[in-house]
Amino acid sequence: GQQVMQIPQYQHVQEGEDFTTYCNSSTTLSNIQWYKQRPGGHPVFLIQLVKSGEVKKQKRLTFQFGEAKKNSSLHITATQTTDVGTYFCAGLNAGNNRKLIWGLGTSLGVNP
Amino acid sequence: DTAVSQTPKYLVTQMGNDKSIKCEQNLGHDTMYWYKQDSKKFLKIMFSYNNKELIINETVPNRFSPKSPDKAHLNLHINSLELGDSAVYFCASSSLLTGDYGYTFGSGTRLTVV
Repeated sequence: GQQVMQIPQYQHVQEGEDFTTYCNSSTTLSNIQWYKQRPGGHPVFLIQLVKSGEVKKQKRLTFQFGEAKKNSSLHITATQTTDVGTYFCAGLNAGNNRKLIWGLGTSLGVNP
Repeated sequence: DTAVSQTPKYLVTQMGNDKSIKCEQNLGHDTMYWYKQDSKKFLKIMFSYNNKELIINETVPNRFSPKSPDKAHLNLHINSLELGDSAVYFCASSSLLTGDYGYTFGSGTRLTVV
């Protein structure tokens, strides 16, 4: 079945360092979404990417969608302790807009 | 105003009991979902309703039964609870109609079966 692989599973960084998480899908996606879940909290929608090669920025966060619409990345510049949490990617299959396929998430720890 | 609200927030119950979790959204979304998140954080879709019609019904024990009285509500009833049902259950909603597919999640119900 369709899978979305996400790496790394865990990462700890020193505050101020950069961080990147990657998602790879086994099939072409119509769009990809990114969510952040703080410890003890619920997933919060960050952004949706739709176009091939799309790049979007939210302050220190940069999101990319690959040219083949099978991979995506989230890059955080100069991490802060408020960035701590688990980041999930989730993709919609090009043929089925009803079911998101979720990555397993990347848990980010930031040492002050 | 809470966009997606689910109750209760915590639920501790004994094996074999029956329990319900309720969810309501005031966003005008046409689709609602139930997810289970286990201790390893994996988000597993259980059910989805679009305008009260069941559109996703994953491989879930039939002890779990969703009910959507209208498109703003999606409840989850669980019969004969088992230890393995302990998890956090999230309700979510989205709008398939507008093409803006981002999900809004409720704050979760932490279910502990003892």
